[in-house]
Amino acid sequence: NAGVTQTPKFQVLKTGQSMTLQCAQDMNHEYMSWYRQDPGMGLRLIHYSVGAGITDQGEVPNGYNVSRSTTEDFPLRLLSAAPSQTSVYFCASRTTGLGDTIYFGEGSWLTVV
Amino acid sequence: QQQVKQSPQSLIVQKGGISIINCAYENTAFDYFPWYQQFPGKGPALLIAIRPDVSEKKEGRFTISFNKSAKQFSLHIMDSQPGDSATYFCAASKGAGSYQLTFGKGTKLSVIP
Repeated sequence: NAGVTQTPKFQVLKTGQSMTLQCAQDMNHEYMSWYRQDPGMGLRLIHYSVGAGITDQGEVPNGYNVSRSTTEDFPLRLLSAAPSQTSVYFCASRTTGLGDTIYFGEGSWLTVV
Repeated sequence: QQQVKQSPQSLIVQKGGISIINCAYENTAFDYFPWYQQFPGKGPALLIAIRPDVSEKKEGRFTISFNKSAKQFSLHIMDSQPGDSATYFCAASKGAGSYQLTFGKGTKLSVIP
């Protein structure tokens, strides 16, 4: 998990509230992404970015917003939290070279009540 | 649509035994197959990966076996140790340079003394 930092580690939100999960990496990686992990579901890609100013949707993008203004940071915004967004969120990064490892952060546990 | 099917969901192995986790994929465009190891409260970490031009790859006690015609691949952990107790995820992507991983649902391995 070297180099990918996520905050906060734990968060409880009320339905309808908004919040931002922060992700920063210090490895100068071009590619960054957000996954969510739900029990028995594996990890599913929410959004990803291949560089500053470039973002795209993954498998489960609805209800989430991202932006990439710098190489280092890739925040994930929940616009109006719903109980279905209760999950563990992982940020990941890698270089754009072939075969390079994807590094994951330690996760952010989000509960929406 | 589940593109990568992983089994079993959970596995209990005695210390010193062999742990075997299987994955099957549907998309013939997949050509990069990593395995990730995840300890409780941590993010996934790359364990070992294979490309379909080889049928087997070994790193220490960990071996990936790959059967392209059957569209299956498996992880073998030889001489399993209690420290191997973790959740293991197989994944697949279209090319080692691809940014998007499709994950299996995970296998929780418990190695008992």
